[in-house]
Amino acid sequence: ETGVTQSPTHLIKTRGQQVTLRCSSQSGHNTVSWYQQALGQGPQFIFQYYREEENGRGNFPPRFSGLQFPNYSSELNVNALELDDSALYLCASSKGTGGYNSPLHFGNGTRLTVT
Amino acid sequence: QQQVKQSPQSLIVQKGGISIINCAYENTAFDYFPWYQQFPGKGPALLIAIRPDVSEKKEGRFTISFNKSAKQFSLHIMDSQPGDSATYFCAASVYNNNDMRFGAGTRLTVKP
Repeated sequence: ETGVTQSPTHLIKTRGQQVTLRCSSQSGHNTVSWYQQALGQGPQFIFQYYREEENGRGNFPPRFSGLQFPNYSSELNVNALELDDSALYLCASSKGTGGYNSPLHFGNGTRLTVT
Repeated sequence: QQQVKQSPQSLIVQKGGISIINCAYENTAFDYFPWYQQFPGKGPALLIAIRPDVSEKKEGRFTISFNKSAKQFSLHIMDSQPGDSATYFCAASVYNNNDMRFGAGTRLTVKP
């Protein structure tokens, strides 16, 4: 069983640029959620994709957007990068949209540094 | 946005000792309470989870204790081992909703 894979593992961008992060969900999972983890903090929910549609969003501005593809893989796009966007971006897949019967399985994340 | 408060921030325990991490939540609609373990350079991995209809769940050396009236839950690691040294996160969410609210984390160090 292949786990959640994310690419790239590390990325350095300049303020104002745009970035795309990619995630392949675990086999058999149909839902992808994205989280932002600042250094020394717990992950914060960005949004979830289910059946290729956004299905819930946290307190993040519209410059954070995403896509889910028919094979359930997903992309996170961030426009107009700000210094505070520097963080570990985690993708998590699940069999359903949440709760006890559809636990999150996280990838190892993409470390984004904005200079 | 944080609705789950976790303590302590860091914890040092001797090998063989008991590690205890506490969390408190505010939203009474939460009905799923997982704990995640995260090693440096890795994503969080689900350790153990509980629903509010039970007061305790045990899996091997790991036990969750849940107090619904106090809106608190805790993780107990029995016979702590150096390999348990990691950051632990409590979390909570509402049924069928992956908007998981995480605590700020506890860095556990188990000394040999």
